[in-house]
Amino acid sequence: QQPVQSPQAVILREGEDAVINCSSSKALYSVHWYRQKHGEAPVFLMILLKGGEQKGHEKISASFNEKKQQSSLYLTASQLSYSGTYFCGTAGSSNTGKLIFGQGTTLQVKP
Amino acid sequence: DAGVTQSPTHLIKTRGQQVTLRCSPISGHKSVSWYQQVLGQGPQFIFQYYEKEERGRGNFPDRFSARQFPNYSSELNVNALLLGDSALYLCASSLDNYGYTFGSGTRLTVV
Repeated sequence: QQPVQSPQAVILREGEDAVINCSSSKALYSVHWYRQKHGEAPVFLMILLKGGEQKGHEKISASFNEKKQQSSLYLTASQLSYSGTYFCGTAGSSNTGKLIFGQGTTLQVKP
Repeated sequence: DAGVTQSPTHLIKTRGQQVTLRCSPISGHKSVSWYQQVLGQGPQFIFQYYEKEERGRGNFPDRFSARQFPNYSSELNVNALLLGDSALYLCASSLDNYGYTFGSGTRLTVV
């Protein structure tokens, strides 16, 4: 079951904040966040694991509510370079490399 | 360190033909996953290989197959191409399933 991301699109001014949400109907082991710029490969931002462990870039923050199967990505003091499409990918097991990606959230940061 | 490399970068094939896409993971990464990304959507899982064994298969027809070699590189084969197979094919490698590095992809166009 594909996770649902919201909102579908966001337009910000530099310096503004944004939150991107990811919700799954299935129990999750981990949630991965990626950013993809047009014509480029998705770039790993963060992984959040069941039990509270997190790994990722220092300037990125996110949360994972295991009971609600929801994750949120927090983008603060946005920069022009934050523009792109953000995907969450969910995994139901630690032993699988199978990520189920959401449909994406397009973020545009304007000067 | 070289990232994940994929070849070719672009490919045009005719319906009914067969295609082979190649992926070299980051040195030391034993896990390789393949994803299909249609324009405007999130990547969709096709296969995962770890230590040359298939660890997962997505909801794709048997026309799709893959294998991993002793040096951990991988090939994705698609037989009897359909117009609907036109997409960006992404390869991702991982050391421990705790974050995946994607290659730039192979853009396949079926005409």
